[in-house]
Amino acid sequence: ETGVTQSPTHLIKTRGQQVTLRCSSQSGHNTVSWYQQALGQGPQFIFQYYREEENGRGNFPPRFSGLQFPNYSSELNVNALELDDSALYLCASSRGGSSGNTIYFGEGSWLTVV
Amino acid sequence: DQQVKQNSPSLSVQEGRISILNCDYTNSMFDYFLWYKKYPAEGPTFLISISSIKDKNEDGRFTVFLNKSAKHLSLHIVPSQPGDSAVYFCAASPALEYGNKLVFGAGTILRVKS
Repeated sequence: ETGVTQSPTHLIKTRGQQVTLRCSSQSGHNTVSWYQQALGQGPQFIFQYYREEENGRGNFPPRFSGLQFPNYSSELNVNALELDDSALYLCASSRGGSSGNTIYFGEGSWLTVV
Repeated sequence: DQQVKQNSPSLSVQEGRISILNCDYTNSMFDYFLWYKKYPAEGPTFLISISSIKDKNEDGRFTVFLNKSAKHLSLHIVPSQPGDSAVYFCAASPALEYGNKLVFGAGTILRVKS
């Protein structure tokens, strides 16, 4: 039990649609990041939010966007879904935005694009 | 460009013996390293970490060794238990960057036979 909760756990969308995934970070954690994990691969960093501002982005197109709210919960939005977006989306939280903090993951949201 | 590599896709070990999982990295700017364990349909669970200023960190049955000159780290599990069977991910965090940006390896599937 990491204290990081994600919703929904599973969803199916059609190519071209939009999706919103949600994450509640562990209590006391002000930094949230999102990862995409395709089958057979390690998680890939999408972006990080620190105190409600984007604080780093991986190699993902602009149709991947996010928000962090004052209570440090977060959303990941993906527009114009493509088949290759099918993956497990993981939210992670930590106390502080600097290296060296332990990072805790939620159980993920499985997205299937058909 | 795979900056963190786990060259063994799988490892099979007898219960009670030592499990050794290996990880190599290429980016000398990495300064913090973590190991995560992942069961199917769950998010990664933090196991143990090590800072680049150390060469060993121990927590119960888990020990991580870091060889900076070789850019190599390993996770030792002693004694191995059937419940340790999972996918193990090595992850690295770059210095002076946002702390939640972890670069993951592709994972090693560990099977502990009873």
